Amino acid sequence: QLQLQESGPGLVKPAETLSLTCTVSGGSISSSSYYWGWIRQPPGKGLEWIANTYYTGNTYFNPSLRSRVTISVLTPENQMSLRLSSVTAADSAVYYCARFPPREGAFDYWGQGTLVTVSS
Amino acid sequence: SSELTQPPSVSVSPGQTASITCSGDKLGDKYVCWYQQKPGQSPVLVIYEDVKRPSGIPERFSGSNSGNTATLTISGTQAMDEADYYCQAWDAGTAWDTSTVLFGGGTKLTVL
Repeated sequence: QLQLQESGPGLVKPAETLSLTCTVSGGSISSSSYYWGWIRQPPGKGLEWIANTYYTGNTYFNPSLRSRVTISVLTPENQMSLRLSSVTAADSAVYYCARFPPREGAFDYWGQGTLVTVSS
Repeated sequence: SSELTQPPSVSVSPGQTASITCSGDKLGDKYVCWYQQKPGQSPVLVIYEDVKRPSGIPERFSGSNSGNTATLTISGTQAMDEADYYCQAWDAGTAWDTSTVLFGGGTKLTVL
């Protein structure tokens, strides 16, 4: 059974960089069949797509976040990471990682999410 | 347009049919999927490729997509179906780095 687990600091100061890791178990992040994505959800609000990445490093971004987002794939560790720079309170959200089979165009497996609060 | 529009809320009586719409420019040209999210939980995929149900999703969930509107239909709605529902489309773009994932704003389904 595929599982995804997000991890990282729950509190980040304004103007600093948010860093999260998604660990994949029960499957390989190097699979040629899938992209892997980051999605976030501010408290009480809707879902916002951040980016999708392939194990080769090919990544496509939400244009509104592209300038602040860096995605890395760590294949030996079966992980991917998210870095979001220059954060503000508007970046406070539950951050999810999820698997994205492009032939379906949908996120079929999701992590449990991790809450990140931006506050001094 | 790069936006998907959903009604903020839909109400339905138990046993009746609930329909949730998702509108976007030429949406019928893209594959649409739907997620169910209950409070404090991660989203769950309930419909993909417009009409397909993942394993384990009840048959009462169905989807359609044509023109500028996709619709999620829940037949014989049950109390357990009360949740937020999100549509999502994927625009593959002309090259991999121009691909975009779009989410609708979400619809709160109330079963009363």
